[in-house]
Amino acid sequence: QKEVEQNSGPLSVPEGAIASLNCTYSDRGSQSFFWYRQYSGKSPELIMFIYSNGDKEDGRFTAQLNKASQYVSLLIRDSQPSDSATYLCAFSNSGYALNFGKGTSLLVTP
Amino acid sequence: NAGVMQNPRHLVRRRGQEARLRCSPMKGHSHVYWYRQLPEEGLKFMVYLQKENIIDESGMPKERFSAEFPKEGPSILRIQQVVRGDSAAYFCASSPRDREEAFFGQGTRLTVV
Repeated sequence: QKEVEQNSGPLSVPEGAIASLNCTYSDRGSQSFFWYRQYSGKSPELIMFIYSNGDKEDGRFTAQLNKASQYVSLLIRDSQPSDSATYLCAFSNSGYALNFGKGTSLLVTP
Repeated sequence: NAGVMQNPRHLVRRRGQEARLRCSPMKGHSHVYWYRQLPEEGLKFMVYLQKENIIDESGMPKERFSAEFPKEGPSILRIQQVVRGDSAAYFCASSPRDREEAFFGQGTRLTVV
């Protein structure tokens, strides 16, 4: 069974701090990994994708992938109240179908 | 460039009725995916379509659910004889080709009463 595990949270961080979101997956055949952000009642919005082991940075966001440990994380630097949302981890081994976790709720307090 | 367009945004159906959900992919995107998000659950893949072809429907319930993506017009997800358990948010996503990140529409929130 293809599973994605995320801590549901809520994860609370003060404004300006680094938020660290973690995700583990069970399918060793996974090829692609994605982080989506979803505001309440809204659609998922793609933040980052990563295919290779290591770090990938895009602005305030850094995705980290460790395939040996089956672990992917998302760091958000200089967190802002507008970053408060649910963050969904997803992976794919088919090249198209995404397997999503239930998401981690992040709250950035002013 | 408009994003993925879904309609209606909200749909209320009585048990036993049919629900038709529409999705127009982003311009230039020929790959469409449908996902369902049940309350307190993660997004679940349902079906992957290209124009006039169903590529993978492994996530779709075997009965009452069907999907199409005709040569002209939007993709349609059809749910026949809806039951209360079908109440969920249904999201459509599109990509220009497979092995690419997909962009989601705003979703259709189906409520079965």
